[in-house]
Amino acid sequence: AQSVTQLGSHVSVSEGALVLLRCNYSSSVPPYLFWYVQYPNQGLQLLLKYTSAATLVKGINGFEAEFKKSETSFHLTKPSAHMSDAAEYFCAVREAAGNKLTFGGGTRVLVKP
Amino acid sequence: DSGVTQTPKHLITATGQRVTLRCSPRSGDLSVYWYQQSLDQGLQFLIQYYNGEERAKGNILERFSAQQFPDLHSELNLSSLELGDSALYFCASSVEGGSVYEQYFGPGTRLTVT
Repeated sequence: AQSVTQLGSHVSVSEGALVLLRCNYSSSVPPYLFWYVQYPNQGLQLLLKYTSAATLVKGINGFEAEFKKSETSFHLTKPSAHMSDAAEYFCAVREAAGNKLTFGGGTRVLVKP
Repeated sequence: DSGVTQTPKHLITATGQRVTLRCSPRSGDLSVYWYQQSLDQGLQFLIQYYNGEERAKGNILERFSAQQFPDLHSELNLSSLELGDSALYFCASSVEGGSVYEQYFGPGTRLTVT
């Protein structure tokens, strides 16, 4: 079975600092990978997705993620944090032959002024 | 706004009761997915329907069932409710069932079982 591990359930960053959220997956075949963001009392919004094209994927709100097969990682970054980035972020994987998304445990980001 | 709607937004009920959660997918989306988000289990896939047919099943309890109607809206039925069923239930939709199209999530229904 697939699994997704997000290192760090909470991350605190200063406004303007780099945001780095880590995601590692286990999959026996090349997966499809996603990052979603959940703002308080809202549903999940897609930030970006990897579908075996370019390994560096750019998403909305200045976020990007890099797929590294050798490390089975799909870390999310943003060069400069904004107060509006405070939310919970979820990494998810979907096998090529399947439909369901398997989510990591989530990382809650706090942005300090 | 993802275009996926869910009703009701909040639901409070007692143990042993039965509830129905409703989801309307984005216009044109044939697939509907149900997920449960709880503090101890995280986000878990429950079940998927594609154009009225069950397509995939996840960690869905036997007390839970779902269906998708001809107009493509879906309902998740939860019966014999237990305290542990308290969670946020999300519906998501996508264009097709077997592609890499992303899933668009609704705002969720927060179920509280007392």
